[in-house]
This record gives sequence, structure tokens and C-alpha cells, in this order.
Amino acid sequence: AQTVTQSQPEMSVQEAETVTLSCTYDTSESDYYLFWYKQPPSRQMILVIRQEAYKQQNATENRFSVNFQKAAKSFSLKISDSQLGDAAMYFCAYRSALFGGNNDMRFGAGTRLTVKP
Amino acid sequence: KAGVTQTPRYLIKTRGQQVTLSCSPISGHRSVSWYQQTPGQGLQFLFEYFSETQRNKGNFPGRFSGRQFSNSRSEMNVSTLELGDSALYLCASSLPSGGRGTDTQYFGPGTRLTVL
Repeated sequence: AQTVTQSQPEMSVQEAETVTLSCTYDTSESDYYLFWYKQPPSRQMILVIRQEAYKQQNATENRFSVNFQKAAKSFSLKISDSQLGDAAMYFCAYRSALFGGNNDMRFGAGTRLTVKP
Repeated sequence: KAGVTQTPRYLIKTRGQQVTLSCSPISGHRSVSWYQQTPGQGLQFLFEYFSETQRNKGNFPGRFSGRQFSNSRSEMNVSTLELGDSALYLCASSLPSGGRGTDTQYFGPGTRLTVL
């Protein structure tokens, strides 16, 4: 079964600085998606960034970028120029790309990010 | 385009009662998944519906059930509520991308269920 591990329960960053959140996963599949979701105090899960496993290029969305290491099964999120609004719980998630198969989303335990002014 | 909507947003029930939660996916999305989020267990997958058929089911007791209608709206039902069912229930919809069958899930705001 696929598992997702986030080893950092809490992280802190100074406003305008850069922070990296770690995520590792375990799978025997070759085709899958990886996601980072953000959950602020409002509890609304917001998609931050998405990576397709067959693409070697790391995904980037404005200040958010990932370091996807497929062989190492590692998927870290880098937030540049951190802003107060980035404070939230961040979840790493895995989803198989197999159609009709067991492709439910598997989430890590989350990393709570605090941004200090 | 409107996002995923869930109703009600908050619900208080007592043990033994049953509850029905509703989810309206993003227009055009045909896949709806349900998750339970608790402080102790984190985010756990309940089930997924696609074109009115349950495609996947998580490891939850039979008290948890769901269905999907022809307009892709989905409901989940929990019967004989227990204290441990208190949680945030999240619904997510996705549009299976051509041929690959899976795509990004977009979440609703959740329904906060409290069982007393």
C-alpha cells in the first residue's frame, strides 16, 4: 500500500525567507501524482502544487516549487519569500494514476507552518 | 466557476442518530471522494463515486455509506452515530483527464460533525 510520510510536524520561517517542507512516499507504481495541499485555519483544503511522476521537470507555481526525486521517492515543497498568509497546515498527498484502480488520495500527517513577522 | 459546496457546514447530533451530508461538485466533475479528518487519525479516505458508481471504498464500517446522483451530486450517510464519528468531513471532486482516469481533487469547505 502507498504511504506518505511528513517527518516535520512543525516548521517556522521568518517573513520573506525561504522554507522547505519534506515529504517521502512509498509505492511500487510508476505512474502517479503528487500534491501539496494547504489547510489554513478556515479548514478549506487548497491545492498548492501538483507533480506528475512521469514528468522529470519540477513543478513551479509562483513562490512555490517542488524538488521531486523519483528514485528517492522524495517530494519536498519550497516556499520562497514567505508571507504571513502562508501560515497553515501543509499536506503532502499521493494518488495513483491508474484508472479504475485504487486511486484514492493518500495523505501525510501534515506539517504546521508558522510565519513570523 | 463555482467551487465544491458542502451542506450543512456544521452539525450537532447525539449518539445513535443518523446524519446525511451533501456535496455538490464543481460543474463538469464526475468523480466525488469523501474524507474524514480527525486530530488523531488525520485524513482518511471514505469512498469515491464516479458516474453514480462507488469505485473505491476505504476501511470504514458499514455504518458509513454514500451515493451519487445523475447530476454528480453526492451524499454520505452515517447511521448509529458514535462519539468517535465527530470529525470534519471533506468532499472533493475531480475531472478524470482523458484516458488517464484521475486528476487533481478540489476540496469543499467541509462539514464539521459533532456527536454528543
